[in-house]
Amino acid sequence: DQQVKQNSPSLSVQEGRISILNCDYTNSMFDYFLWYKKYPAEGPTFLISISSIKDKNEDGRFTVFLNKSAKHLSLHIVPSQPGDSAVYFCAASGAYSGAGSYQLTFGKGTKLSVIP
Amino acid sequence: DAGVTQSPTHLIKTRGQQVTLRCSPKSGHDTVSWYQQALGQGPQFIFQYYEEEERQRGNFPDRFSGHQFPNYSSELNVNALLLGDSALYLCASSRWTVPAEQYFGPGTRLTVT
Repeated sequence: DQQVKQNSPSLSVQEGRISILNCDYTNSMFDYFLWYKKYPAEGPTFLISISSIKDKNEDGRFTVFLNKSAKHLSLHIVPSQPGDSAVYFCAASGAYSGAGSYQLTFGKGTKLSVIP
Repeated sequence: DAGVTQSPTHLIKTRGQQVTLRCSPKSGHDTVSWYQQALGQGPQFIFQYYEEEERQRGNFPDRFSGHQFPNYSSELNVNALLLGDSALYLCASSRWTVPAEQYFGPGTRLTVT
C-alpha cells in the first residue's frame, strides 16, 4: 500500500512558465512534508518543507501548498528554468508532532523537463 | 561545510557475499538514516541510528544491519546478498531534535551478480 503517491511520472514545461508537481498521501499521521530534487548519479537534495500547521511555505521560486483535508500537497516552481530539470520526490513524516515516526516515506517521483 | 559523504561510490558483489557501506554525516548532525532506492522507485527507509542505537527500522530483513560510531558516522552491512539487493543505497543525516529534515549523501550503487 503506497502511502505517498505521485501520480504523474513526468511533466514537461516551457522555460519561464509555472511547474506544478502534485503529491497525495493516505496516512493521517503524517504531519511534515518535504520535497527533494534528484539529478542522476546524485543523492536527493532538500528543496522545501512544510509542517501540518501551515498551508503554504515559500522559498524563492519554490512554493509548497498543503491541503490537509484533501491529503494533498503541491510544489510550484515559478519561473521554471532548464536547470530545474530533475526528478522531484515528495516525502512525508510523522515527526513534527512527536508521533515518533521519523522515517521519511517517499513517493515514486516525477521527472520534470523544462524546455528552453 | 562538508555535506554527507558516502563510500564507496560503486560496488559489485556476488550473490551470497557480504558488503559494508559507510557514511559520514553533515557537520552538526547526530542522526543517520539509511535508505534503499531501487530503479524507478522512491527511497525506502531501512533504519535510523542515534546515540549508537537503532531507533527505528523499516520493513527489511535481519540480513540488513548497521552501526553508528561515537563520531556519528555509520555503517550499513548486508549479509547473504541477493540479486534483488542491487540498488542505490542512500545515507541521510539530521539532528535528532529536527529528525525529519534529512540531508542525503550521493549514495553507493551496489550491483549484485
